Amino acid sequence: GAVVSQHPSWVICKSGTSVKIECRSLDFQATTMFWYRQFPKQSLMLMATSNEGSKATYEQGVEKDKFLINHASLTLSTLTVTSAHPEDSSFYICSARSIGRMGLMDTQYFGPGTRLTVL
Amino acid sequence: GENVEQHPSTLSVQEGDSAVIKCTYSDSASNYFPWYKQELGKRPQLIIDIRSNVGEKKDQRIAVTLNKTAKHFSLHITETQPEDSAVYFCAASIWDDKIIFGKGTRLHILP
Repeated sequence: GAVVSQHPSWVICKSGTSVKIECRSLDFQATTMFWYRQFPKQSLMLMATSNEGSKATYEQGVEKDKFLINHASLTLSTLTVTSAHPEDSSFYICSARSIGRMGLMDTQYFGPGTRLTVL
Repeated sequence: GENVEQHPSTLSVQEGDSAVIKCTYSDSASNYFPWYKQELGKRPQLIIDIRSNVGEKKDQRIAVTLNKTAKHFSLHITETQPEDSAVYFCAASIWDDKIIFGKGTRLHILP
């Protein structure tokens, strides 16, 4: 089946530092990847849509200069949280949409998430 | 943009009884409605989905119904078991594009 990985699974950093999170599709190509943020006991909130080879599309209210997204290949997208602050502490989850085969509709597969704690 | 409302936020049912979670969506162009189960600290797991050309879909103890006219869709779990306890999210999207999630329902199965 389709597998999406994220690295790291958890990270603790000091306020003001930058953190990079990787999202990889391991056994399929993904032209589109999505980044979500989930605060404790809340829903997944879409942050941005990442398309391979082009700029990401950010949802309203998400600062593109703070959350840098790069989708350099069909299997890798990265999210960099710049100058992280305690309020950025959250569970970050990516999803990857597979390229359809044999006329089947594309499906999204979720990564395991990265728990970011900013001290 | 799309807005998905989900009710109830918390649901407790006796083991063996049925559980129903209801959602509404706002964008009539949405045509894909997945349901996810999420356990604490883990990724959401797709449990069932329905597309707009279908009114109902069933997979063992889980069923989903869709009313496009009313923009309602529901999840039904029958013969609930302890392992069904989790947070369930409904969602909506257009052609598997960005998925917009409801706020979630915390389901407790009581012994």
